[in-house]
Amino acid sequence: GAVVSQHPSWVICKSGTSVKIECRSLDFQATTMFWYRQFPKQSLMLMATSNEGSKATYEQGVEKDKFLINHASLTLSTLTVTSAHPEDSSFYICSARGQGGNEQFFGPGTRLTVL
Amino acid sequence: SQKIEQNSEALNIQEGKTATLTCNYTNYSPAYLQWYRQDPGRGPVFLLLIRENEKEKRKERLKVTFDTTLKQSLFHITASQPADSATYLCALSLGGGFKTIFGAGTRLFVKA
Repeated sequence: GAVVSQHPSWVICKSGTSVKIECRSLDFQATTMFWYRQFPKQSLMLMATSNEGSKATYEQGVEKDKFLINHASLTLSTLTVTSAHPEDSSFYICSARGQGGNEQFFGPGTRLTVL
Repeated sequence: SQKIEQNSEALNIQEGKTATLTCNYTNYSPAYLQWYRQDPGRGPVFLLLIRENEKEKRKERLKVTFDTTLKQSLFHITASQPADSATYLCALSLGGGFKTIFGAGTRLFVKA
């Protein structure tokens, strides 16, 4: 149990375009989902926390108008990178936590490359 | 300032030995602490969680200790195997919304 999927697993896009990444909890209801970014050989950096049906809470320094997060259902959250630039190239990982649960279950990550 | 520090250097050990990884933190009061395994290009995989009022937790060949006075957690892998080679992440979960903050990880190499 506790499987989280992400789609796509990798994406290459042109500078200035927008990219949407989906995060799904497959076998449990995720009341809270988290979005992280990880640069090579660095730690996971929390970008935002989203609760189902509420606006996401963004970490300091993360532009909410650039990284749009939607958590419309208990099994799906999306991250849209708008007007992507090469510096947005990174590994984006989501995680999900069920109601009353403490553990976070991570998706496999999405590798974004902006040309 | 708030920090989470893990062994900065990679850890190389011989198969069959016990690997011990360290996680130290400052200026945090975590509700609980977690350890994850991450392989290259993959998302982290949950291993163990230990609460602030627990001293030790075990799961198969894994053992975690948590000393809130020293602000330190130790992660042990006994009878290590080459398949245990990966990056291991320490993560602190804070109260309230249980926001989780990750350390940079320690790369473990187990040689056959």
